[in-house]
Amino acid sequence: DAGITQSPRHKVTETGTPVTLRCHQTENHRYMYWYRQDPGHGLRLIHYSYGVKDTDKGEVSDGYSVSRSKTEDFLLTLESATSSQTSVYFCAISPGPTNYGYTFGSGTRLTVV
Amino acid sequence: DQQVKQNSPSLSVQEGRISILNCDYTNSMFDYFLWYKKYPAEGPTFLISISSIKDKNEDGRFTVFLNKSAKHLSLHIVPSQPGDSAVYFCAASVETSGSRLTFGEGTQLTVNP
Repeated sequence: DAGITQSPRHKVTETGTPVTLRCHQTENHRYMYWYRQDPGHGLRLIHYSYGVKDTDKGEVSDGYSVSRSKTEDFLLTLESATSSQTSVYFCAISPGPTNYGYTFGSGTRLTVV
Repeated sequence: DQQVKQNSPSLSVQEGRISILNCDYTNSMFDYFLWYKKYPAEGPTFLISISSIKDKNEDGRFTVFLNKSAKHLSLHIVPSQPGDSAVYFCAASVETSGSRLTFGEGTQLTVNP
């Protein structure tokens, strides 16, 4: 979807290094989310934001931090990457909390070696 | 604690036949349910939703059924087409409290020509 882009699309990094993934939207949606997708687990919420500088934890937030300094950008940072954080990361946006449905980005495939 | 569960990791059907994907949930507070479809290397896309005040919602070839007493929902695709081959995720939320979407593990549907 052209209204939401994730960068990079692919990244390989070494254990212990910091990594930042970026989600950029042009829809002016208030809500933004970071999910990770793993086999057997589906999509699990890492962090979400309900406005500029307003963020909260999801179900798998350990080892991750986020920042949202402007409406259009939501950054996910792995402070010190571990192999268990090898995953596909999806950003999603929505105008409201839930019943509008989410629009997802194309994902970032992160490999931690 | 998996609150939304899709017990079938995969499903294979013949083109033209019906595909039935199932989803169970444990949280009785969930009152809004959605299905997403995901192709490889793309983000999930919204397919169809249903509120708990209904037991059926239809959109073209796609129908979602909700059985609140059994805490079960299903997605019917009739007739199935090869282009329907994808991973299908069900998701649930407590709409009135503005909670985030909780996703199931996903079911890989393969429609054979």
